[in-house]
Amino acid sequence: DTGVSQDPRHKITKRGQNVTFRCDPISEHNRLYWYRQTLGQGPEFLTYFQNEAQLEKSRLLSDRFSAERPKGSFSTLEIQRTEQGDSAMYLCASSFQDAQYFGPGTRLTVL
Amino acid sequence: QKEVEQNSGPLSVPEGAIASLNCTYSDRGSQSFFWYRQYSGKSPELIMSIYSNGDKEDGRFTAQLNKASQYVSLLIRDSQPSDSATYLCAVPPRSGGYQKVTFGTGTKLQVIP
Repeated sequence: DTGVSQDPRHKITKRGQNVTFRCDPISEHNRLYWYRQTLGQGPEFLTYFQNEAQLEKSRLLSDRFSAERPKGSFSTLEIQRTEQGDSAMYLCASSFQDAQYFGPGTRLTVL
Repeated sequence: QKEVEQNSGPLSVPEGAIASLNCTYSDRGSQSFFWYRQYSGKSPELIMSIYSNGDKEDGRFTAQLNKASQYVSLLIRDSQPSDSATYLCAVPPRSGGYQKVTFGTGTKLQVIP
């Protein structure tokens, strides 16, 4: 399968715990994006990487959220001290030019 | 005014009919437009892109763009029950910064057998 992959697909955690998600983009794609989606809403932009550089980060992203793409390949999104409001689907997408292709997402539930 | 607006629906059409989904956007400088299909519990799937005024056809799908009126639409001909999904309109900013695409909230389509 040469599409975008994400791991884990589901994560249940208790409030206050840290969680980390991984995204592996399509191999030739140099751009990688993270989004968050809640029920009834479209994907909400979180952050963007071009190669290993994080070029944009949403103002909505609190300092509890951090993302990395250390070698310009896979990326991780970490949420520290999770809150119930963090419960959502976290989507990763990649692109070579404009069209973005999404992975299957990681569904986070914070109890 | 929201950057990208869609009617949330649901839009119900009988099987075999044409489904028409609409999207308006606020940034006059936007140059590219995308339609994604999202099944319940799944991630968005890119189905159409359009860059120029007019129509672009791909199988049963036709995207229509009118930059002067700032709207983009998606027509689905011969609608099938398998087309039942939420359709998201996505618009990058005028700067060509494809990175920060703004998504609409999506229109839920129900195709009735």
